[in-house]
Amino acid sequence: DGGITQSPKYLFRKEGQNVTLSCEQNLNHDAMYWYRQDPGQGLRLIYYSQIVNDFQKGDIAEGYSVSREKKESFPLTVTSAQKNPTAFYLCASAPEGRRFADTQYFGPGTRLTVL
Amino acid sequence: AQSVAQPEDQVNVAEGNPLTVKCTYSVSGNPYLFWYVQYPNRGLQFLLKYITGDNLVKGSYGFEAEFNKSQTSFHLKKPSALVSDSALYFCAVRESFKTIFGAGTRLFVKA
Repeated sequence: DGGITQSPKYLFRKEGQNVTLSCEQNLNHDAMYWYRQDPGQGLRLIYYSQIVNDFQKGDIAEGYSVSREKKESFPLTVTSAQKNPTAFYLCASAPEGRRFADTQYFGPGTRLTVL
Repeated sequence: AQSVAQPEDQVNVAEGNPLTVKCTYSVSGNPYLFWYVQYPNRGLQFLLKYITGDNLVKGSYGFEAEFNKSQTSFHLKKPSALVSDSALYFCAVRESFKTIFGAGTRLFVKA
């Protein structure tokens, strides 16, 4: 988990509420990613960013939004449009998104629960 | 589209015995294959990867994996399992700018 921090560790959301998950890295990595993890389904890509001020939708982007204003930060907002947001959210970074051999480094995760 | 399959939801092994966690893949070009491990309520940790070269890849914590092109497999192995190896293991393949993860295999090592 070293070099990537996620906060908070646990987050509770009420129906109709937007919440923002924080992800910060001090590894000087260009690429950053957000994944959602549900039991038995592995990791699914929500959004990714290869460089500052640029990001792309992943496989399950509906109901989520991101920004990449700084190299070290890639916050994820879970909007009220996301109908089933209860999950474990993982942020990752990689040195350079275009190098396919690059290893991704993961943060410790945020567990989001809808009340 | 590239994909990766982990055919076993769970693997049980006794401490001291060898362990194998299976992974098969489907790619349209040269495969970039990875293994990660996840402990409860934690992020994923990198174990090893295959990019090119020697088919036997050595990684962290005594783990290794064998790339077999004819069988399109990338099984994770360890000669002698430890109780502390009990965790969730993910195989992954790189597709363009994205990484495709398998569903994961839970490893239980019994003392």
